Amino acid sequence: GAVVSQHPSRVICKSGTSVKIECRSLDFQATTMFWYRQFPKQSLMLMATSNEGSKATYEQGVEKDKFLINHASLTLSTLTVTSAHPEDSSFYICSARETLGARWTEAFFGQGTRLTVV
Amino acid sequence: DAKTTQPPSMDCAEGRAANLPCNHSTISGNEYVYWYRQIHSQGPQYIIHGLKNNETNEMASLIITEDRKSSTLILPHATLRDTAVYYCIVSYDSNYQLIWGAGTKLIIKP
Repeated sequence: GAVVSQHPSRVICKSGTSVKIECRSLDFQATTMFWYRQFPKQSLMLMATSNEGSKATYEQGVEKDKFLINHASLTLSTLTVTSAHPEDSSFYICSARETLGARWTEAFFGQGTRLTVV
Repeated sequence: DAKTTQPPSMDCAEGRAANLPCNHSTISGNEYVYWYRQIHSQGPQYIIHGLKNNETNEMASLIITEDRKSSTLILPHATLRDTAVYYCIVSYDSNYQLIWGAGTKLIIKP
C-alpha cells in the first residue's frame, strides 16, 4: 500500500512552547489529510480534516487557534500545537487519501507522534 | 457515535484462524465496511474493505452477510504479530471521515 510518513515519532517539550508535526505522503498525492488524537487506552478521535490549498475543517471542541493545520502541498500537511500544556500530551496520528481520477482509495496512516508536555 | 459493534476482546491460538465479528445493522447502501488494526503505539494499518461481496487479500478475508448488517474479518493463520486492536468501520468509499469505535483487542497466544 501507499506510505505516509509522520515526523517526529516522539517529542518532549516544555509547557508553553509550540511543536510542529509533519505528515508526508511519500508515493502519492493527498488532497485530503486527517489529524487524529488518541489518549491512552482510548480510540482515535478526529481533530480536523485538511484539504490542500484551503482551510482545515475542525471537529467540535477542537480549538483551531491552538492546533494549527497547514496543507500547502499535495504531499505535506503539518499540525502545530501552540502553547502546549500537559493536557495536550497525547498520541497524534495523521492519515491521507489519494485520488485516482474520480475514485478514492482507502486511508493510509502515519506511524504517529507521541507528544509529552512537561 | 461509531456505527459498529465489536466484542471488546478475543483470544486466538497461534496458527489458528482468527474470526473477528462486527455488527453494523444501520449501514447504508453506499457505505463500505473497512477493517484496520493498530499495534500498540503505532498508527493504524489498513487491512481490507468491501461493499457487498466477500473480499480476500494477502492479509485477510472479509465476509459480509447478504443483508450487510454484519461482517467477519478472518486472519487465516494467526501469528503472534497479529496481536493488535482491530477496528471495523463503515464509511462512504473513504470520502468521509472514519468514525472509530473501541475495536476488538485480539491477543494471539502461543
